[in-house]
Amino acid sequence: DTGVSQNPRHKITKRGQNVTFRCDPISEHNRLYWYRQTLGQGPEFLTYFQNEAQLEKSRLLSDRFSAERPKGSFSTLEIQRTEQGDSAMYLCASSLSGGQPNSPLHFGNGTRLTVT
Amino acid sequence: QKEVEQNSGPLSVPEGAIASLNCTYSDRGSQSFFWYRQYSGKSPELIMSIYSNGDKEDGRFTAQLNKASQYVSLLIRDSQPSDSATYLCAVNENYQLIWGAGTKLIIKP
Repeated sequence: DTGVSQNPRHKITKRGQNVTFRCDPISEHNRLYWYRQTLGQGPEFLTYFQNEAQLEKSRLLSDRFSAERPKGSFSTLEIQRTEQGDSAMYLCASSLSGGQPNSPLHFGNGTRLTVT
Repeated sequence: QKEVEQNSGPLSVPEGAIASLNCTYSDRGSQSFFWYRQYSGKSPELIMSIYSNGDKEDGRFTAQLNKASQYVSLLIRDSQPSDSATYLCAVNENYQLIWGAGTKLIIKP
């Protein structure tokens, strides 16, 4: 079980720079999620893919955020023109779809972003 | 606005005692419920999932679901210092989860 893999583990960037994170889900999982988490809060939903299709994007997410999953396997999350408020842990999770009840999410180790 | 509520704690429990964590949710139509454990600086780790009313046991952990009262709880028996963490309750809403803010649990040796 290779689990969900995220890279990099840590990223420090200056305000205004662009950053890109990568997520490799569990191989048989067709659903992939991006979340953001700040201290003392639960994960905040950013976006969701089923296979290569991006089916939902949080309305709280600005146009500076974009995510792709071109072949239905790995995914990237890009943040353009970073702001200090973007500093957070970015979590990727995957799951297997199909029927009810929904299968649980399995998280990667996260990418901690610090914007200076 | 669908919500999941948890007491933020911290909840302090002596080693060896039972820790009881509670969670309420607003959407009566929710069908899937999950407890995740999160150590400081780490990502959430699935502890239990429960889908039907009643109790579900897995080792020292028991999840309890009461859909009529819209609450789900997690009991940890024989608490260990390594159980000290934040416990997140999550409730399924279509394709995604609605999360509580978590309860910080401290097990005192």
